[in-house]
Amino acid sequence: DQQVKQNSPSLSVQEGRISILNCDYTNSMFDYFLWYKKYPAEGPTFLISISSIKDKNEDGRFTVFLNKSAKHLSLHIVPSQPGDSAVYFCAAGANFGNEKLTFGTGTRLTIIP
Amino acid sequence: DAGITQSPRHKVTETGTPVTLRCHQTENHRYMYWYRQDPGHGLRLIHYSYGVKDTDKGEVSDGYSVSRSKTEDFLLTLESATSSQTSVYFCAILQGNTGELFFGEGSRLTVL
Repeated sequence: DQQVKQNSPSLSVQEGRISILNCDYTNSMFDYFLWYKKYPAEGPTFLISISSIKDKNEDGRFTVFLNKSAKHLSLHIVPSQPGDSAVYFCAAGANFGNEKLTFGTGTRLTIIP
Repeated sequence: DAGITQSPRHKVTETGTPVTLRCHQTENHRYMYWYRQDPGHGLRLIHYSYGVKDTDKGEVSDGYSVSRSKTEDFLLTLESATSSQTSVYFCAILQGNTGELFFGEGSRLTVL
């Protein structure tokens, strides 16, 4: 039972354009969401998060949008840069303070110079 | 950044042998986690700890045990390794009150 789904295993985007990574979830108890970025042979690193009381959070080139009614979130990266090439994981948690995150399967983003 | 050290970073072992992976942190964080990463499955929680001697199961805990006798160390043990446990294992700690996990660099385990 995959509670957090990233349906696109891979995505290629031209440098300078917008990258949009999508994530769907099924558990309505999830109330905070995070995106992680992972380079090969390294641990995942935190990128950006959003709580369920918001529908948008922005940090520089990265924006996360949350649509609670659709149980969908997306990560926008603009403009995309070659260093953004990595695997991106969506994660969700319930009852902030419960401290257990459920991760999606990841999307490999490739930025084409 | 929290200091997390995982050891060993790479290990090759044979089916049926015991294996212990160690996660060491330097900043007295209360919550520690073990995840495994596999193609097509993303990151899956094995076990986690919310204090010394306080641990709980994650979604893929079968075949694994953990121990936390000191705040700084969280050990993951495979009592009898199987080929299905070939994976990359990540330790993580919960930083502050943001819900954000900080991950170690991973331990790649190959079970032949």
